[in-house]
Formats: sequence, structure tokens, C-alpha cells
Amino acid sequence: TQLLEQSPQFLSIQEGENLTVYCNSSSVFSSLQWYRQEPGEGPVLLVTVVTGGEVKKLKRLTFQFGDARKDSSLHITAAQPGDTGLYLCAGAQGASGGSYIPTFGRGTSLIVHP
Amino acid sequence: KAGVTQTPRYLIKTRGQQVTLSCSPISGHRSVSWYQQTPGQGLQFLFEYFSETQRNKGNFPGRFSGRQFSNSRSEMNVSTLELGDSALYLCASARLANPYNEQFFGPGTRLTVL
Repeated sequence: TQLLEQSPQFLSIQEGENLTVYCNSSSVFSSLQWYRQEPGEGPVLLVTVVTGGEVKKLKRLTFQFGDARKDSSLHITAAQPGDTGLYLCAGAQGASGGSYIPTFGRGTSLIVHP
Repeated sequence: KAGVTQTPRYLIKTRGQQVTLSCSPISGHRSVSWYQQTPGQGLQFLFEYFSETQRNKGNFPGRFSGRQFSNSRSEMNVSTLELGDSALYLCASARLANPYNEQFFGPGTRLTVL
């Protein structure tokens, strides 16, 4: 069972379109992160959200953390071919001794056609 | 500042063999985490080392082990390889070991088990 469910799994759109990617869970997370991974490379952190209801903007990307800290969304405005990649959400769940276990969603593969 | 480096980048092994992967974190980073990425399961956390001590461990069998040296470099070992171990193995370094610190991923080692 995947603790973090991402949807959609695949997205193929034209340049200039808007899109939203979702990351949902039945568990509460102390924080959620969004990464983008390009072929042949490791994921690169885009943003970390830690407060329920938080909204963060990174140029054309808008990230939102749900009030209950169980879900998050990533909205891209006017997508460009450079936005192409695998978008991953990741959460930190508390474990014993104050440590944490990072959990990743399976990702949304985005292709933006020129 | 040099990024996270992983060696080798590609590896082909046969079932039953063992393999050792290496990760050099960003200078000054004391936390190194290892992940397995497959198309079916996505990105899964293996373990995290901080100051030469294993701090967190994911749900993987004992065939997967790791260690960290005093210079923060880390190695991961997989013994008695199985076909299902074929994956991209990523390591990530962070300055500190908590979920709010940004992780920087290396490009990964692509392991193929025949």
C-alpha cells in the first residue's frame, strides 16, 4: 500500500496549458516536499511545506498543503517544455526515537509539448 | 560546490553475486540516505546514516546494508543479488538529519541483475 498517492500518473499537455498534480494520503505528515526528476538524474527539491493550509509560490508553480496535512497539490501555470519531468511528492513520518521515515509517491510523469 | 557523486554509474551483476555502491556527499554534509527507485514501486527509502551511525531504516531485507565513514562518504552493499534488485539506487546528502533539511540527490547507480 502506497502511503502517498499521486494523480494523475501521466500527463501530456501542450505548452501554455495549466495543470494540477495531486498528492493524497490517509496519514498526517509533519511536512511534505515536492521534487522534480529528469531522466538520468536524481530528484531535485522544489519546495517544502510544513504548515497546514500553507501556500508557496515558485515562479509559475504554486504548492498547497492541505489544512489537515494529509494532502498537497502542485499547480503549474502556462506550462513550458522545460517543465517536463517526473514530479514526486514526499512526506516525513515520525518514527521511534525522534527519527523519521521518508515516504515518496510514485510520481506524475509530465510531458509538455512545444 | 561539487554535488553528490555516486560510483559506479552503471553496473551489471548476476544473481547470487554481491555489489557495493559508493556515495560521496556534498562537502560539509553529514547525513547520507539511500533509496531504491523502480518503475513498479517508485522511490523507496533504504536507510540513513548520520555521523557514521544508522539513524533510520526502511523496510528492506537484511541483504541490504550500509555504512558511513568518518569523512561522511557512504557505501551500500547488497548481498545474494536477486532479479528484483535491479533498480536505480540513489543517495542523497543533507547537512543535518531531520525532515526539514533539503536533501541533494546524486545521479544514481543503475544496477541490472541478470
